[in-house]
Amino acid sequence: GQQLNQSPQSMFIQEGEDVSMNCTSSSIFNTWLWYKQDPGEGPVLLIALYKAGELTSNGRLTAQFGITRKDSFLNISASIPSDVGIYFCAVSSGSARQLTFGSGTQLTVLP
Amino acid sequence: GAGVSQSPRYKVAKRGQDVALRCDPISGHVSLFWYQQALGQGPEFLTYFQNEAQLDKSGLPSDRFFAERPEGSVSTLKIQRTQQEDSAVYLCASSLYLGYDRGYEQYFGPGTRLTVT
Repeated sequence: GQQLNQSPQSMFIQEGEDVSMNCTSSSIFNTWLWYKQDPGEGPVLLIALYKAGELTSNGRLTAQFGITRKDSFLNISASIPSDVGIYFCAVSSGSARQLTFGSGTQLTVLP
Repeated sequence: GAGVSQSPRYKVAKRGQDVALRCDPISGHVSLFWYQQALGQGPEFLTYFQNEAQLDKSGLPSDRFFAERPEGSVSTLKIQRTQQEDSAVYLCASSLYLGYDRGYEQYFGPGTRLTVT
């Protein structure tokens, strides 16, 4: 089963607003990844985080790897219509090569 | 360059039929993963290959599921005697190993949506 708690489950925001979503775990992980999935497509890698406390940006996206290695957040600034989709956090550890995914945050951007 | 490709994109099977799903990874990626994604859920791990070796198949839900990658490139996920609970999107991902402290950045294909009637 899922080991990650991702919240919120869904969000409705106005175009131009900032968005924040987060992911927590009861276990420590060495790598946190954020993916976006559009309908009918596979997940697309947005940001990868490898060091506790690390803050990384990719355009309007910013993500942080929590200092405890048990959480991460993703911020999207100045949202636009193409930000619509499902955002997943995912984790892996050095020994487990596969990714474990959260349950996703469904983002809707209203014009 | 080309990303991960999967075929078919959609497959409808009658209960009891066998199906085969194909994955073409990114050229040069030695690692290949299969995931199953149920409606409204995140992907769940099925199995992992490094080159042609299947190193982890702990996520395969039953012995009806079989995966192979005989030449270390293209992979096939086979499901025998399909059941309705097998209906899901099957995702393939490929990756380079970036070192112990960075692990794998996995790049996904578009998936195959399997519907068992």
